[in-house]
Amino acid sequence: SQKIEQNSEALNIQEGKTATLTCNYTNYSPAYLQWYRQDPGRGPVFLLLIRENEKEKRKERLKVTFDTTLKQSLFHITASQPADSATYLCALDWAGNNRKLIWGLGTSLAVNP
Amino acid sequence: EPEVTQTPSHQVTQMGQEVILRCVPISNHLYFYWYRQILGQKVEFLVSFYNNEISEKSEIFDDQFSVERPDGSNFTLKIRSTKLEDSAMYFCASSELSSGANVLTFGAGSRLTVL
Repeated sequence: SQKIEQNSEALNIQEGKTATLTCNYTNYSPAYLQWYRQDPGRGPVFLLLIRENEKEKRKERLKVTFDTTLKQSLFHITASQPADSATYLCALDWAGNNRKLIWGLGTSLAVNP
Repeated sequence: EPEVTQTPSHQVTQMGQEVILRCVPISNHLYFYWYRQILGQKVEFLVSFYNNEISEKSEIFDDQFSVERPDGSNFTLKIRSTKLEDSAMYFCASSELSSGANVLTFGAGSRLTVL
């Protein structure tokens, strides 16, 4: 069956540390993997995407990796800050899916000062 | 920065009443979506809309739901006869027509409470 899974437990880390969130999927072949941030009561906001032929992508303090063999993406926030506290969602994207993204449940991240 | 706007931000209604949620997508975007998120649960796809017609809909999007683009700017979701289980946040999103990744821009959401 097709599944997309993110860390089920909430992640609590200390300010300044690196947060690492995982997104695993089975029986999909996405061309892109996207990461979004969602704050309580708000809509998801696009952060970063990585293509299937890319291993790593960076944007400021964010880094995403994509391993199509393991069917896994890792999302890292370095030098984390309390303002990074939010839920982070991964989404699978490929042109053949009628432009519909497949969403993970999200991982809640709390960065403690 | 262009944004997707949604109204109302919160609507309370009685079971069985009709509700219309409104969205103004980003002006040069051509794909429009409605998603739903029940409290504590995942973002669920409802429907996508392109070229003035539904391109895909989920199992959730039954005959009680309809979408319309009545003019060049608005995109609406109508729930004909609301049920308690329709209580959720409803997010509108839009995206550009692109041969590459389908990056969505979401609105802030409309919270629907059905009593």
